[in-house]
Amino acid sequence: DTGVSQDPRHKITKRGQNVTFRCDPISEHNRLYWYRQTLGQGPEFLTYFQNEAQLEKSRLLSDRFSAERPKGSFSTLEIQRTEQGDSAMYLCASSLGGGAGEQYFGPGTRLTVT
Amino acid sequence: GNSVTQMEGPVTLSEEAFLTINCTYTATGYPSLFWYVQYPGEGLQLLLKATKADDKGSNKGFEATYRKETTSFHLEKGSVQVSDSAVYFCALSGLDTGRRALTFGSGTRLQVQP
Repeated sequence: DTGVSQDPRHKITKRGQNVTFRCDPISEHNRLYWYRQTLGQGPEFLTYFQNEAQLEKSRLLSDRFSAERPKGSFSTLEIQRTEQGDSAMYLCASSLGGGAGEQYFGPGTRLTVT
Repeated sequence: GNSVTQMEGPVTLSEEAFLTINCTYTATGYPSLFWYVQYPGEGLQLLLKATKADDKGSNKGFEATYRKETTSFHLEKGSVQVSDSAVYFCALSGLDTGRRALTFGSGTRLQVQP
Protein backbone atom coordinates (compact mmCIF):
# COMPACT_ATOMS: atom_id res chain seq x y z
CA ASP A 1 0.00 0.00 0.00
CA THR A 2 1.56 3.27 -1.08
CA GLY A 3 0.96 6.41 0.89
CA VAL A 4 -0.06 9.85 -0.31
CA SER A 5 2.27 11.14 -3.01
CA GLN A 6 2.80 14.70 -4.19
CA ASP A 7 4.54 16.11 -7.22
CA PRO A 8 6.72 18.06 -7.55
CA ARG A 9 8.51 18.02 -4.20
CA HIS A 10 10.05 21.43 -4.83
CA LYS A 11 9.06 24.28 -7.12
CA ILE A 12 10.82 27.58 -7.62
CA THR A 13 8.96 30.14 -9.69
CA LYS A 14 9.06 33.82 -10.44
CA ARG A 15 6.42 36.16 -9.13
CA GLY A 16 3.46 36.36 -11.47
CA GLN A 17 3.84 32.87 -12.90
CA ASN A 18 1.25 30.11 -12.55
CA VAL A 19 2.07 26.83 -10.81
CA THR A 20 0.23 23.54 -10.50
CA PHE A 21 0.74 20.82 -7.93
CA ARG A 22 -0.53 17.25 -8.02
CA CYS A 23 -1.61 14.94 -5.19
CA ASP A 24 -2.33 11.23 -5.42
CA PRO A 25 -4.20 10.00 -2.33
CA ILE A 26 -4.17 6.54 -0.81
CA SER A 27 -6.15 4.51 -3.31
CA GLU A 28 -9.20 3.60 -1.23
CA HIS A 29 -9.56 7.02 0.41
CA ASN A 30 -12.49 9.08 -0.84
CA ARG A 31 -11.64 12.30 0.98
CA LEU A 32 -8.76 14.58 0.01
CA TYR A 33 -7.52 17.76 1.70
CA TRP A 34 -5.08 20.54 0.90
CA TYR A 35 -3.23 22.47 3.60
CA ARG A 36 -0.55 25.16 3.59
CA GLN A 37 2.29 25.27 6.11
CA THR A 38 4.66 28.17 6.62
CA LEU A 39 7.90 28.01 8.59
CA GLY A 40 7.35 27.53 12.30
CA GLN A 41 3.60 27.13 12.00
CA GLY A 42 1.14 24.28 11.89
CA PRO A 43 -0.65 23.40 8.67
CA GLU A 44 -3.64 25.57 7.75
CA PHE A 45 -6.62 24.13 5.94
CA LEU A 46 -7.25 25.25 2.35
CA THR A 47 -9.88 22.97 0.84
CA TYR A 48 -11.49 19.53 1.00
CA PHE A 49 -12.97 17.07 -1.50
CA GLN A 50 -15.26 14.13 -1.01
CA ASN A 51 -14.86 12.09 -4.17
CA GLU A 52 -14.94 14.72 -6.95
CA ALA A 53 -17.03 17.27 -5.03
CA GLN A 54 -15.26 20.23 -3.41
CA LEU A 55 -17.20 20.54 -0.17
CA GLU A 56 -15.34 23.17 1.81
CA LYS A 57 -12.99 26.06 1.08
CA SER A 58 -11.08 28.17 3.56
CA ARG A 59 -10.99 31.95 3.44
CA LEU A 60 -7.25 31.44 2.83
CA LEU A 61 -8.12 30.14 -0.63
CA SER A 62 -8.16 33.39 -2.58
CA ASP A 63 -9.51 33.61 -6.11
CA ARG A 64 -5.97 33.00 -7.41
CA PHE A 65 -6.16 29.47 -6.04
CA SER A 66 -8.16 26.69 -7.63
CA ALA A 67 -8.33 23.00 -6.86
CA GLU A 68 -9.85 20.12 -8.75
CA ARG A 69 -10.32 16.43 -8.26
CA PRO A 70 -11.58 15.00 -11.54
CA LYS A 71 -13.09 11.52 -11.26
CA GLY A 72 -12.46 11.51 -7.53
CA SER A 73 -8.90 10.25 -7.84
CA PHE A 74 -5.86 12.57 -7.94
CA SER A 75 -6.19 16.27 -7.23
CA THR A 76 -4.47 19.39 -8.56
CA LEU A 77 -3.94 22.73 -6.85
CA GLU A 78 -3.20 25.67 -9.13
CA ILE A 79 -1.97 29.06 -8.03
CA GLN A 80 -2.25 31.82 -10.60
CA ARG A 81 -0.17 34.99 -10.63
CA THR A 82 2.00 33.80 -7.75
CA GLU A 83 3.09 36.26 -5.07
CA GLN A 84 6.01 36.05 -2.66
CA GLY A 85 3.53 35.47 0.15
CA ASP A 86 2.53 32.20 -1.51
CA SER A 87 5.91 30.71 -0.61
CA ALA A 88 5.11 27.81 1.71
CA MET A 89 4.87 24.03 1.94
CA TYR A 90 1.65 22.74 0.35
CA LEU A 91 0.45 19.54 1.96
CA CYS A 92 -2.07 17.03 0.72
CA ALA A 93 -3.84 14.53 2.95
CA SER A 94 -6.43 11.82 2.45
CA SER A 95 -8.83 9.90 4.65
CA LEU A 96 -11.50 7.23 4.61
CA GLY A 97 -15.09 7.96 5.50
CA GLY A 98 -15.94 7.20 9.12
CA GLY A 99 -13.42 6.56 11.88
CA ALA A 100 -12.02 9.37 13.97
CA GLY A 101 -11.35 11.53 10.93
CA GLU A 102 -7.62 10.83 10.95
CA GLN A 103 -5.85 12.09 7.86
CA TYR A 104 -2.71 10.75 6.21
CA PHE A 105 -0.32 13.27 4.76
CA GLY A 106 1.96 13.33 1.77
CA PRO A 107 5.52 14.70 1.84
CA GLY A 108 4.43 18.12 0.61
CA THR A 109 5.45 20.45 -2.22
CA ARG A 110 7.72 23.30 -1.19
CA LEU A 111 6.99 26.42 -3.24
CA THR A 112 9.45 29.29 -3.41
CA VAL A 113 8.34 32.43 -5.23
CA THR A 114 11.22 34.74 -6.15
CA GLY B 1 -14.07 28.74 15.99
CA ASN B 2 -11.79 25.85 16.77
CA SER B 3 -8.26 26.48 18.01
CA VAL B 4 -5.32 24.56 19.46
CA THR B 5 -2.61 25.96 21.70
CA GLN B 6 0.69 24.17 22.28
CA MET B 7 3.61 24.96 24.51
CA GLU B 8 6.36 26.80 22.70
CA GLY B 9 9.59 25.05 21.94
CA PRO B 10 12.19 24.04 21.54
CA VAL B 11 12.05 21.49 24.31
CA THR B 12 15.53 20.14 24.96
CA LEU B 13 15.91 16.93 26.96
CA SER B 14 18.58 14.39 27.68
CA GLU B 15 18.08 10.82 26.52
CA GLU B 16 15.84 8.78 28.87
CA ALA B 17 14.22 11.90 30.34
CA PHE B 18 10.44 12.21 30.81
CA LEU B 19 8.60 14.23 28.18
CA THR B 20 5.45 16.31 28.47
CA ILE B 21 4.22 18.57 25.67
CA ASN B 22 1.14 20.54 26.67
CA CYS B 23 -1.83 20.97 24.34
CA THR B 24 -5.13 22.70 25.08
CA TYR B 25 -7.99 23.27 22.70
CA THR B 26 -11.11 25.32 22.11
CA ALA B 27 -13.93 23.70 20.17
CA THR B 28 -17.66 23.29 20.11
CA GLY B 29 -19.04 19.85 20.70
CA TYR B 30 -16.83 16.80 21.06
CA PRO B 31 -13.86 16.96 18.71
CA SER B 32 -11.50 14.11 17.92
CA LEU B 33 -7.94 14.86 19.03
CA PHE B 34 -4.65 13.89 17.40
CA TRP B 35 -0.92 14.15 17.76
CA TYR B 36 1.12 14.25 14.57
CA VAL B 37 4.92 14.11 14.34
CA GLN B 38 7.17 15.59 11.67
CA TYR B 39 10.70 14.18 11.54
CA PRO B 40 13.38 16.26 9.79
CA GLY B 41 12.87 16.20 6.04
CA GLU B 42 9.73 14.07 6.24
CA GLY B 43 5.97 14.57 6.06
CA LEU B 44 3.49 14.62 8.92
CA GLN B 45 2.82 11.22 10.47
CA LEU B 46 -0.14 10.37 12.68
CA LEU B 47 1.24 9.46 16.11
CA LEU B 48 -1.91 8.82 18.15
CA LYS B 49 -5.56 9.77 18.46
CA ALA B 50 -8.49 9.90 20.89
CA THR B 51 -12.14 10.32 20.02
CA LYS B 52 -13.98 10.85 23.31
CA ALA B 53 -13.48 12.07 26.85
CA ASP B 54 -11.09 9.98 28.99
CA ASP B 55 -9.85 8.03 25.94
CA LYS B 56 -6.10 7.40 26.02
CA GLY B 57 -4.27 7.26 22.73
CA SER B 58 -0.89 5.52 22.66
CA ASN B 59 1.79 4.58 20.16
CA LYS B 60 5.56 4.02 20.22
CA GLY B 61 5.69 4.70 23.95
CA PHE B 62 3.85 8.03 23.62
CA GLU B 63 0.52 8.59 25.38
CA ALA B 64 -2.11 11.31 25.58
CA THR B 65 -5.42 11.38 27.44
CA TYR B 66 -8.48 13.32 26.23
CA ARG B 67 -9.46 15.53 29.19
CA LYS B 68 -12.71 17.31 28.43
CA GLU B 69 -12.91 19.03 31.81
CA THR B 70 -9.60 20.81 31.20
CA THR B 71 -9.87 20.78 27.35
CA SER B 72 -6.40 19.28 27.19
CA PHE B 73 -4.56 16.50 25.35
CA HIS B 74 -1.01 16.55 26.70
CA LEU B 75 1.59 14.29 25.08
CA GLU B 76 3.81 12.23 27.36
CA LYS B 77 6.62 9.71 27.05
CA GLY B 78 8.42 8.09 29.92
CA SER B 79 11.88 7.84 28.37
CA VAL B 80 12.79 9.76 25.23
CA GLN B 81 15.40 8.70 22.70
CA VAL B 82 17.53 10.73 20.32
CA SER B 83 15.38 9.34 17.51
CA ASP B 84 12.33 11.12 19.00
CA SER B 85 13.79 14.48 17.97
CA ALA B 86 11.12 16.01 15.75
CA VAL B 87 8.34 18.59 15.67
CA TYR B 88 5.10 17.51 17.35
CA PHE B 89 1.71 18.94 16.36
CA CYS B 90 -1.53 18.70 18.31
CA ALA B 91 -4.68 18.81 16.17
CA LEU B 92 -8.42 18.46 16.38
CA SER B 93 -11.19 17.49 14.00
CA GLY B 94 -14.75 18.69 14.48
CA LEU B 95 -16.43 15.68 12.87
CA ASP B 96 -19.39 15.91 15.22
CA THR B 97 -20.10 19.43 13.95
CA GLY B 98 -19.59 18.44 10.33
CA ARG B 99 -16.20 20.07 9.98
CA ARG B 100 -13.65 17.59 8.66
CA ALA B 101 -10.68 19.94 8.34
CA LEU B 102 -7.98 19.51 10.97
CA THR B 103 -7.08 22.49 13.11
CA PHE B 104 -3.42 22.36 14.17
CA GLY B 105 -1.37 23.96 16.88
CA SER B 106 1.84 25.73 15.92
CA GLY B 107 4.02 22.74 16.78
CA THR B 108 6.62 22.02 19.46
CA ARG B 109 10.16 21.13 18.49
CA LEU B 110 11.75 18.42 20.63
CA GLN B 111 15.51 18.03 20.73
CA VAL B 112 16.88 15.00 22.55
CA GLN B 113 20.56 15.02 23.37
CA PRO B 114 22.59 11.83 23.90
